[in-house]
Formats: sequence, C-alpha cells, structure tokens
Amino acid sequence: DTAVSQTPKYLVTQMGNDKSIKCEQNLGHDTMYWYKQDSKKFLKIMFSYNNKELIINETVPNRFSPKSPDKAHLNLHINSLELGDSAVYFCASSQVTGTYNEQFFGPGTRLTVL
Amino acid sequence: QKEVEQDPGPLSVPEGAIVSLNCTYSNSAFQYFMWYRQYSRKGPELLMYTYSSGNKEDGRFTAQVDKSSKYISLFIRDSQPSDSATYLCAIPIYNQGGKLIFGQGTELSVKP
Repeated sequence: DTAVSQTPKYLVTQMGNDKSIKCEQNLGHDTMYWYKQDSKKFLKIMFSYNNKELIINETVPNRFSPKSPDKAHLNLHINSLELGDSAVYFCASSQVTGTYNEQFFGPGTRLTVL
Repeated sequence: QKEVEQDPGPLSVPEGAIVSLNCTYSNSAFQYFMWYRQYSRKGPELLMYTYSSGNKEDGRFTAQVDKSSKYISLFIRDSQPSDSATYLCAIPIYNQGGKLIFGQGTELSVKP
C-alpha cells in the first residue's frame, strides 16, 4: 500500500499554462506539506496544512494555491507557469507531536516548464 | 547565515570506506536533529533522528550531535554501493506547524 501518493509523476508544459498536482495519504496523519526541490537538491517547504487549515505559507508566489478538501488530500494548483517553476515537487505528511515530526514523502512530481 | 548548512559534495568513496557527512546549524535552541536519505528519483525517507547531544547508533549508521559547536554528523561504516544516495540533515522547528528545515543535501556515491 502506497502511504503518500502523488499524481502525475511527470508534468511537461509550456510557460503560461495552469497545472495541478494531486496528493493523497493513507497514513491517517493530520498534517500535509508541499515542498519544492530545485536542481541542486535543495528541499524547501512551501505550505503545510493541518486538518484542512493552512498553517505555513513560506512566501510562495500567489500563483501557487494549495487546497485541502479533507485531511487525507492536499492539491497544488499553479497558475501562469514560469521557467523557474521547473523543479520536483514533493508532498509529505506527518502526525506532529510536539517537536518530533517524522515526515513521510511521496515519490515527487517532476515539473518541466518549456 | 542559513539556519542549516551542509556541504553539498558530491562525495565519492570506495566500497568499505567510512563516510562522514556533516551539517552546522545556527540556532542553539534546536533540540531534534534528523537525517533523511533520498535515492535517485525517489522521495526522502527518515534514516535517523537524535535528540539533544550525543550519539545514536543503528547498524552501520551513527548520528552524532555536538550542541556546543552546533554540529551534526552522520557516519556510515563499511559503506556499500546501496548507500549511494543524497543525504539531507533536517531540523524540526518547534511550534511552527511541523516545519522542517533541510540542509542542501550531500550526494554520496559508493563505488564497488
């Protein structure tokens, strides 16, 4: 059973298009995240949601809009795609208890903007 | 200064070598320290975590924290080709909704 799944795995699109990435977790966690990993493998948090409520928004351009229909799903919609948006986007989930926070990551969505 | 800094490598070692991966951090209030491993084209997965100072051992892997110098290390003994991956140190931030800050990652290649 896949714990954290993302679709699609690969996304190739033209500049200016709008695209969405979907994420689902079956671990029963209450917190979900979106991360962006650049070409140098630097992994940076974008958003986190706890029980469908936005908790973290890390100065991400407002072309990026996350949506959490329920606590098992977190989607990412990106408007007006730019070349600099090319990266691997990871969804993750965790059950946050105090400071300890093991996050489980999905397989990633490799976005290429042409 | 970045909150967590990690030597990005890449690092290439022969099979059987001892590998040392390192990070420094800036905030002395940090208490938990994690190491994630990421295989090529996969998501990161938690390898080890430590709380406060000291060592933690798990098989061939040892995580070490030196809070006096704000330095964290991961040692791999008897390295294997299957250890080839990117290793990322990570620190959870208290009371910030589960936020993890990651080092830049060190790409390790173990040659047979």
